[in-house]
Amino acid sequence: DAGVIQSPRHEVTEMGQEVTLRCKPISGHDYLFWYRQTMMRGLELLIYFNNNVPIDDSGMPEDRFSAKMPNASFSTLKIQPSEPRDSAVYFCASTSRARDYEKLFFGEGSRLTVL
Amino acid sequence: GENVEQHPSTLSVQEGDSAVIKCTYSDSASNYFPWYKQELGKRPQLIIDIRSNVGEKKDQRIAVTLNKTAKHFSLHITETQPEDSAVYFCAARDPNTGNQFYFGTGTSLTVIP
Repeated sequence: DAGVIQSPRHEVTEMGQEVTLRCKPISGHDYLFWYRQTMMRGLELLIYFNNNVPIDDSGMPEDRFSAKMPNASFSTLKIQPSEPRDSAVYFCASTSRARDYEKLFFGEGSRLTVL
Repeated sequence: GENVEQHPSTLSVQEGDSAVIKCTYSDSASNYFPWYKQELGKRPQLIIDIRSNVGEKKDQRIAVTLNKTAKHFSLHITETQPEDSAVYFCAARDPNTGNQFYFGTGTSLTVIP
């Protein structure tokens, strides 16, 4: 298995621009998580999905953030409009309660810089 | 929800010495406790985990202990090597909040050659 795949790996954009981050979970995994990592706040859970349905989005900072999972193999995290304080590494992770005994597997991350 | 605290935030040890990182959790319902290692610029990777029905688990130089009564768990690394230098995160999974993982704030371990 190729693991969790994220794109882009690096994104540099200007304030006010729209940013879309993409994630492909491990095949067969039914949970997908979006995390944000910063030095100040560590790993923060933004939102997670079960069977493509958003379960908890209480970690989404504000309305500028949105996430979708149109099918079992694809999810997006969108920031519109982006702000400098959104600069962080965004990780996608997936797991399957049935297959991997709840082990959480991370993608390589998307490093976002908003100027 | 669950609250996971991790100490210390930084740790330096001499090569060959042991390193211990401790975490506490708040919700007695949490039943799964993984540890992740994150090297600079890389993804967090699972290195060891323990379930609540087990008190200790070992994998070569790495061991994890769990004290359910006190609600704390620890990572032990013996015979440390420079390649053990990384940030280590503990986490707890609380079944009462779906399948959420709650992470500690991380420990930056430096092994001095």
